[in-house]
Amino acid sequence: AAGVIQSPRHLIKEKRETATLKCYPIPRHDTVYWYQQGPGQDPQFLISFYEKMQSDKGSIPDRFSAQQFSDYHSELNMSSLELGDSALYFCASSLTGDMRYTFGSGTRLTVV
Amino acid sequence: DQQVKQNSPSLSVQEGRISILNCDYTNSMFDYFLWYKKYPAEGPTFLISISSIKDKNEDGRFTVFLNKSAKHLSLHIVPSQPGDSAVYFCAARGNQFYFGTGTSLTVIP
Repeated sequence: AAGVIQSPRHLIKEKRETATLKCYPIPRHDTVYWYQQGPGQDPQFLISFYEKMQSDKGSIPDRFSAQQFSDYHSELNMSSLELGDSALYFCASSLTGDMRYTFGSGTRLTVV
Repeated sequence: DQQVKQNSPSLSVQEGRISILNCDYTNSMFDYFLWYKKYPAEGPTFLISISSIKDKNEDGRFTVFLNKSAKHLSLHIVPSQPGDSAVYFCAARGNQFYFGTGTSLTVIP
C-alpha cells in the first residue's frame, strides 16, 4: 500500500540558506501535518492543511512557510536557516474524520 | 511496506481497568521505541520510550514492555482514566523514525 512519501530523505544546508521539504500524502487523504523533532526532543507540531487551506498552526517560525497544492502534496519552505533548525521533519496525512495518522519517514535536515 | 504496525485501530476500556496497546515491528535493527499520545486538533506528544537494551520502562501509570524476540512492543496504562482517551502512536528508530498508524483509546467513565 502507498504510504506518505517525504523528500528528500536527507538534506544538508548551510546557515542562511533556504530549504524546501516535500510531502506526498496517501492518496485520498485530504489533511497534511508537519512536525519538527530536534535531537532528544519531542516532536513539535508546526502546521497543518486541510483541502489546501491552512487549518492549524503550531510553533512554526516566521522564517518557515508551507502550502498544500491541488494534488494535496505539501511543501515546507524554510529560509534563513539556523543551526537550531537541524532536526527531523516529518509529515503525516489523514482523511477527515479518521483520527489515525500515517506518518512519513521524515526528512533529516542538517544545517552547518 | 509498514515496518511498524498497530493492528488495533481502536480500543475501549472501563475507567480504572488496564489499557494495553500493542505494536509490532519488522526490523530487528531498531534501537529505540517511543509511544506518542495525540488529542484531537493537537500535535502528538511524547509519552514514554524504551531502549532496545531494556525490556521494561515504567513512568507512573504508564509502562512500556519490549519483547525483542517477538518484535513486539506494548503500552500498559494502569489504572486507565477518561483523560487518557486519545490516539496512541508507537514509533521505532532505525536510520529514521517509523510510525504506526495509531490506536484510538476510549476510556469509559
